Amino acid sequence: GQNIDQPTEMTATEGAIVQINCTYQTSGFNGLFWYQQHAGEAPTFLSYNVLDGLEEKGRFSSFLSRSKGYSYLLLKELQMKDSASYLCAVMTTDSWGKLQFGAGTQVVVTP
Amino acid sequence: DGGITQSPKYLFRKEGQNVTLSCEQNLNHDAMYWYRQDPGQGLRLIYYSQIVNDFQKGDIAEGYSVSREKKESFPLTVTSAQKNPTAFYLCASSTEGTDTQYFGPGTRLTVL
Repeated sequence: GQNIDQPTEMTATEGAIVQINCTYQTSGFNGLFWYQQHAGEAPTFLSYNVLDGLEEKGRFSSFLSRSKGYSYLLLKELQMKDSASYLCAVMTTDSWGKLQFGAGTQVVVTP
Repeated sequence: DGGITQSPKYLFRKEGQNVTLSCEQNLNHDAMYWYRQDPGQGLRLIYYSQIVNDFQKGDIAEGYSVSREKKESFPLTVTSAQKNPTAFYLCASSTEGTDTQYFGPGTRLTVL
């Protein structure tokens, strides 16, 4: 099976940077996804990494190290609207189309 | 506008009743999924379908049933056999199995 760990909650100030870590243990890795979910709403896709390295998309960046089973999502220039839960999800080669989700990291942005 | 719709947004049912949650997509996606979300837990896969007239059990299929008679539709029935049905239910779809999944707005089911 898979084990996906991410911190439960992080707090940061508006304008600051926050890094959300995700570690995973899988049997056959086929990509890692990050989603943002505001309370009571649907998760929205943020990023996808399958190769090692950093993917940058505006204020959000995602990093992957396959050898370490590690990813992070970096949120820069935090805005109040970034207060949400951030979900890490792993797709494995033995589960076609199936994602295994971490429990999510609640990010609280304070003024 | 292309997207995934789920209805209703809130649903209340009495214990012992079956209830069907709707999921429709007009994205021309082949694969569709149902997840359940509980507080403090990650999304858990209930059922998924890669093509019409075919579906597979996910990690927590007991007490649920699905059908996939049309490409656009993947309804989920929560049966009375589901021991703890109160949860937030999310439907998702993707072009094919290994592609990015996109989610509908969700249905919050409360069983009284």
